[in-house]
Amino acid sequence: NAGVMQNPRHLVRRRGQEARLRCSPMKGHSHVYWYRQLPEEGLKFMVYLQKENIIDESGMPKERFSAEFPKEGPSILRIQQVVRGDSAAYFCASSLGGIQTQYFGPGTRLLVL
Amino acid sequence: DAKTTQPPSMDCAEGRAANLPCNHSTISGNEYVYWYRQIHSQGPQYIIHGLKNNETNEMASLIITEDRKSSTLILPHATLRDTAVYYCIAWASNSNSGYALNFGKGTSLLVTP
Repeated sequence: NAGVMQNPRHLVRRRGQEARLRCSPMKGHSHVYWYRQLPEEGLKFMVYLQKENIIDESGMPKERFSAEFPKEGPSILRIQQVVRGDSAAYFCASSLGGIQTQYFGPGTRLLVL
Repeated sequence: DAKTTQPPSMDCAEGRAANLPCNHSTISGNEYVYWYRQIHSQGPQYIIHGLKNNETNEMASLIITEDRKSSTLILPHATLRDTAVYYCIAWASNSNSGYALNFGKGTSLLVTP
């Protein structure tokens, strides 16, 4: 299966710790998007990256959140000093181009204790 | 991106066709109609998309009215595994409108035995 891969699938952190979420795009895709789904809410866009560049981070909280997509390796969504309100499902999507169909991964469920 | 309106919930008997409507009366000429679904808490699954013409693939058919103000997603023979939340999204294919998919609340489809 050459779909979008995310790991870990479940992540538990205590308040104040750091969370690192990884996303490997579909084979041949160089565009990655991160979305967040809070409990009982819809998916909200966070950030769009191409290799080594952040293209659109309009949905990313200004503090504690960062994202990268290095030349080699997966895209990383990093949340510093997590709080209980960060508990959510984080989904990654990838596309062949910036204006083409986005395909989603299975998500990472983050629980902050 | 144009706002879309969908009924909050629908039922369909197993084996029958499920017809999911979507209104997008303010859609602009360069906006595609995309359909995704989310089964339970899995990642959104791409179903189909179209601009003006009707489209069909192995999963579903998409019927777009001539004035493009509404569309219908058709699952020809619904199964229990089609129970999910279905999202209709109007999305422009240019960088000026951004890259975020606006998932809204969708239609919760329940397929019953």
